[in-house]
Amino acid sequence: AQSVTQLDSHVSVSEGTPVLLRCNYSSSYSPSLFWYVQHPNKGLQLLLKYTSAATLVKGINGFEAEFKKSETSFHLTKPSAHMSDAAEYFCVVLYNTDKLIFGTGTRLQVFP
Amino acid sequence: ETGVTQTPRHLVMGMTNKKSLKCEQHLGHNAMYWYKQSAKKPLELMFVYSLEERVENNSVPSRFSPECPNSSHLFLHLHTLQPEDSALYLCASSQDAHEQFFGPGTRLTVL
Repeated sequence: AQSVTQLDSHVSVSEGTPVLLRCNYSSSYSPSLFWYVQHPNKGLQLLLKYTSAATLVKGINGFEAEFKKSETSFHLTKPSAHMSDAAEYFCVVLYNTDKLIFGTGTRLQVFP
Repeated sequence: ETGVTQTPRHLVMGMTNKKSLKCEQHLGHNAMYWYKQSAKKPLELMFVYSLEERVENNSVPSRFSPECPNSSHLFLHLHTLQPEDSALYLCASSQDAHEQFFGPGTRLTVL
């Protein structure tokens, strides 16, 4: 069965410092993994996706994620946080070709 | 208009009302989805339509009734809802098994 676990419900960083949002997955086969971002009162926007090509995936707004099979992880990182990065982030695994299974989300706060 | 649009953006209704949520995708996709997002709970998939046929119904109560008249439009008809149905309802579309694109959602409050 496929599932995702987001290890932190809240992460707070100062502007200009690195961001790390953690995600572990469980999948019986090679998964497709995604990170989505949701700003307040907005829908979800795709940040990046992993589909068994390069293990280091670059996304929009300077975010990237590394697929580590040995650790079953797909952590999201950004070298330098910006105030506009404050939002809720969801790690997602694709199940059965068309169903997304969402993690519980991590709320990122960025302080000036 | 581009992407996935949803109307209305906000809806307040009583438990005896009947209302409908509308979703439209302008991406030429062949699959559409309804999700429910409640506070402190993971996003829940409600319905999946592929090529205008419903292929998934995750045990959603019958007071929610979806309709997909064509590949660009998806409706969610609501009747006799309960206060616990208050949530953000998100529509998404995709082409085959690729990533899903989401609309901005409808914030529903049931009084």
